[in-house]
Amino acid sequence: DGGITQSPKYLFRKEGQNVTLSCEQNLNHDAMYWYRQDPGQGLRLIYYSQIVNDFQKGDIAEGYSVSREKKESFPLTVTSAQKNPTAFYLCASSIEVATAAFFGQGTRLTVV
Amino acid sequence: AQSVTQLGSHVSVSEGALVLLRCNYSSSVPPYLFWYVQYPNQGLQLLLKYTTGATLVKGINGFEAEFKKSETSFHLTKPSAHMSDAAEYFCAVSASTYKYIFGTGTRLKVLA
Repeated sequence: DGGITQSPKYLFRKEGQNVTLSCEQNLNHDAMYWYRQDPGQGLRLIYYSQIVNDFQKGDIAEGYSVSREKKESFPLTVTSAQKNPTAFYLCASSIEVATAAFFGQGTRLTVV
Repeated sequence: AQSVTQLGSHVSVSEGALVLLRCNYSSSVPPYLFWYVQYPNQGLQLLLKYTTGATLVKGINGFEAEFKKSETSFHLTKPSAHMSDAAEYFCAVSASTYKYIFGTGTRLKVLA
């Protein structure tokens, strides 16, 4: 079945460490996105990519980095520069905006 | 610029009663509008979408929404609430870019 796979589902890291969240899709979608979700704040866009080897900053890109070397993969690195990294992270993909975005199951990152 | 406002962060209804979740949007171009549902610790699932054409849109699980351009609204309704409808609901808007703008969400509680 086609879909988006995020791994791991739960992730714990010590403060000051970089951590990479995985996102893989087999939907043949060109566009991929990373959102951060905090209680009461909805979803905020971190980065998005329309095609391979190209990506743009979203509204809260500081402290995060991404790469898009393959169409299927869009990993997100949470760096030590991110001041408050504990959150629920959602990856999504779409063919184009009119067809809606499909979401993965999310990764809950806890930094202690 | 685009934005989404969801009125009411929490809504409670009795089982069998009408569900009405409100969404107002702002967009300088004809918008694409979406409603998503999220269950605890899961990703977002598309309920329905409006792109063009018929303004009354039917979705999964008995939900529907009506696009009213004059009121810049896209309210979500369901005639009879079921216990399984308890979840968080997000309205989203997009236009000519590959970016989706989400509201802050409405948590629906269904009372027995």
